[in-house]
Amino acid sequence: DGGITQSPKYLFRKEGQNVTLSCEQNLNHDAMYWYRQDPGQGLRLIYYSQIVNDFQKGDIAEGYSVSREKKESFPLTVTSAQKNPTAFYLCASSIRQAASETQYFGPGTRLLVL
Amino acid sequence: AQKVTQAQTEISVVEKEDVTLDCVYETRDTTYYLFWYKQPPSGELVFLIRRNSFDEQNEISGRYSWNFQKSTSSFNFTITASQVVDSAVYFCALSEARDYSGAGSYQLTFGKGTKLSVIP
Repeated sequence: DGGITQSPKYLFRKEGQNVTLSCEQNLNHDAMYWYRQDPGQGLRLIYYSQIVNDFQKGDIAEGYSVSREKKESFPLTVTSAQKNPTAFYLCASSIRQAASETQYFGPGTRLLVL
Repeated sequence: AQKVTQAQTEISVVEKEDVTLDCVYETRDTTYYLFWYKQPPSGELVFLIRRNSFDEQNEISGRYSWNFQKSTSSFNFTITASQVVDSAVYFCALSEARDYSGAGSYQLTFGKGTKLSVIP
């Protein structure tokens, strides 16, 4: 089955700790995205990547970092610089990065701060 | 800048009632795309429909229908004969028609969502 997987489902972070959220897709999509969702809010774009070894900041990139070493994988690191990391994180992908292309989403990772 | 407004924060209906979710958008582009996604309690966003700005025909898919009106910048979503399984948060989203050129600056803008509760 083709799709997007995210792990873990729940993640706990201690103060001052960096944590990495995994996102893998087997849809052969070129573009991948990370969004943050806070309660009662829409999704906000953190980072996106159009092709391997390339990525761009979204609206709320501060305190986050990404890498795109493989087409299938786009991990997100939440650094200690992100002071309010508690949120639901969604990864998405699309065939290519264009306004006409539909983004498909993974099941999400819920990050909680201890 | 793009903006999507979903004025209804929460809606409750009794099963089998019809319900319409409103979506109003703002954009300066003449070519753009509109989307609806469903987010059930599990959290994953499920794609429902994509519509481009040049296609104003209404669309029906089973119990779902969409009414796109460019004159009022609205893209409303109606569920007919609602069911408990329709309970979810529904998001409307807008994207600008900037084709992939390697230059970036493309973005999908989401509304804040409407939480629909269907009561048995």
